[in-house]
Amino acid sequence: NAGVTQTPKFQVLKTGQSMTLQCAQDMNHNSMYWYRQDPGMGLRLIYYSASEGTTDKGEVPNGYNVSRLNKREFSLRLESAAPSQTSVYFCASSEVVNTEAFFGQGTRLTVV
Amino acid sequence: AQRVTQPEKLLSVFKGAPVELKCNYSYSGSPELFWYVQYSRQRLQLLLRHISRESIKGFTADLNKGETSFHLKKPFAQEEDSAMYYCALSGPGYGNKLVFGAGTILRVKS
Repeated sequence: NAGVTQTPKFQVLKTGQSMTLQCAQDMNHNSMYWYRQDPGMGLRLIYYSASEGTTDKGEVPNGYNVSRLNKREFSLRLESAAPSQTSVYFCASSEVVNTEAFFGQGTRLTVV
Repeated sequence: AQRVTQPEKLLSVFKGAPVELKCNYSYSGSPELFWYVQYSRQRLQLLLRHISRESIKGFTADLNKGETSFHLKKPFAQEEDSAMYYCALSGPGYGNKLVFGAGTILRVKS
């Protein structure tokens, strides 16, 4: 049972490059989330999707876009990467909001 | 805005000592509160949630609405409890976003 799968696991980008982080879940969950994890700041919500067809901004959405491609997949796009976006990114899903969230293994992104 | 505060970045205790990881929140309404744990090289996972009133791995947490706190407690720490602990909050008042605190590293020394 894969749960929540994120790709890639590691990525190095140059400033100004773009990339998309992929996330897929196989638990038929309605809600999906993207977080970034930085030392001393914990997990900060970038965007979330309460249900298929909807997306909403979280605490730190600037510089990011998301797409809820279907019920399984929720991608995060960096259009023009900046060093401040160096972080570990986590995708999560839950059956509905306010229920247990299941996390992916994380993507370690470095922007140079 | 909803906010979760974990005042301690690091908590270091000896094996067998009591543990209390503090969590305070600001939220107008009835929140859902959670504790998540991240062990070394493992995924972040749910430890417990206030609505279930369970004791998981010896940990308990009581919601104190008057003090707006949801502290995590364990009477006797074990070395395997060493991990990063996050307090999290969700609720309908702010679109049901799941928001986390900054986290507390718990180190249990032998």
